[in-house]
Amino acid sequence: AQKVTQAQTEISVVEKEDVTLDCVYETRDTTYYLFWYKQPPSGELVFLIRRNSFDEQNEISGRYSWNFQKSTSSFNFTITASQVVDSAVYFCALLGLYNTDKLIFGTGTRLQVFP
Amino acid sequence: DGGITQSPKYLFRKEGQNVTLSCEQNLNHDAMYWYRQDPGQGLRLIYYSQIVNDFQKGDIAEGYSVSREKKESFPLTVTSAQKNPTAFYLCAARISNTGELFFGEGSRLTVL
Repeated sequence: AQKVTQAQTEISVVEKEDVTLDCVYETRDTTYYLFWYKQPPSGELVFLIRRNSFDEQNEISGRYSWNFQKSTSSFNFTITASQVVDSAVYFCALLGLYNTDKLIFGTGTRLQVFP
Repeated sequence: DGGITQSPKYLFRKEGQNVTLSCEQNLNHDAMYWYRQDPGQGLRLIYYSQIVNDFQKGDIAEGYSVSREKKESFPLTVTSAQKNPTAFYLCAARISNTGELFFGEGSRLTVL
């Protein structure tokens, strides 16, 4: 079975604070992809990053960084120096290549950044 | 503009009525998906289609129907059999085998 757990339902921070969103996954597949999506108040899901299971290198994109650790089945997302515009719901998702048709989502973490 | 277009953005329906949500894409992606989102919950898969004239049930297909007569179009019908249809519906299209989905802006359905 495949599962994605985002234990943090809601996080509130003040602007310029760093914040980490946790994602833990379960899969029997040895080859899989992990994703992060952002859902702003408008509702559309915006793709942020994709990682495959063979690449454990951490990635940085501006203020965003991702820490992928297979040993703990985690794919955490850190926003450095948060801004009000970062306020959104963030979803972690998993695609196992044994089952290439379904992208399984976590329940999301709502991030509120206050000025 | 390229992308996925969903309509209508907001829809109100009386109980017992069927309603069809439109999803059109000009990305030339083969696979298309419908997800349902309820407050405080993640996205749950309703139906998906990998090619024209073929589609499969997702995790919560009961009370819904779809068709895929054209590559660009994947409409979702919410039937009167769906017991709790009020939700936010998202359509997506997938790039080849990488799994990356591009989403439309969503349709919010409210049953009165």
